[in-house]
Amino acid sequence: AQTVTQSQPEMSVQEAETVTLSCTYDTSESDYYLFWYKQPPSRQMILVIRQEAYKQQNATENRFSVNFQKAAKSFSLKISDSQLGDAAMYFCARFDSNYQLIWGAGTKLIIKP
Amino acid sequence: SQTIHQWPATLVQPVGSPLSLECTVEGTSNPNLYWYRQAAGRGLQLLFYSIGIDQISSEVPQNLSASRPQDRQFILSSKKLLLSDSGFYLCAWSVMKFVVHREETQYFGPGTRLLVL
Repeated sequence: AQTVTQSQPEMSVQEAETVTLSCTYDTSESDYYLFWYKQPPSRQMILVIRQEAYKQQNATENRFSVNFQKAAKSFSLKISDSQLGDAAMYFCARFDSNYQLIWGAGTKLIIKP
Repeated sequence: SQTIHQWPATLVQPVGSPLSLECTVEGTSNPNLYWYRQAAGRGLQLLFYSIGIDQISSEVPQNLSASRPQDRQFILSSKKLLLSDSGFYLCAWSVMKFVVHREETQYFGPGTRLLVL
């Protein structure tokens, strides 16, 4: 099965510190895209960061960066200088050749003030 | 810039009543369109996707249907709602590009909360 696994149902971090959310996936494809989405209490799904599998360089968007390990099929999200507004559910997803996003179950991130 | 609208934002309907949720995208043409459902505290389940005005694919057999009356409009419908249809419905759009490889990123609307009583 082509799955995406987020092994951490919930994570907490102190404000201003760094936290890493884990994601692993299974695929037989060599060309694909990986995404992290954020879902705050409003429940709108917001794109955080995207990684192209053919690129070796890890994607970065301001305080958000990924550690993409293609051979290990691992795609973790690092949030630096955590802010209260980062509190949300975070979903990892992989785009496959059938126009579908394969989603992980999500990680709830709690920011402690 | 592109925007995506969904309405209504919230809907409370009795069991057995019909349903129509609307999604509209602005600022792009010929987008791929998607309907997802999310139960409370769970991940997203793809219901339908459309890569063209006459091309709609269903991923989950159920009492829901989708239509695309215009290029940038996607409708989710039901003739008779079930209790199990309650949930949060998200519409998304994407445009496929070919740069070095095929690229496609999905962008989501604000969602509709549906409660079936």
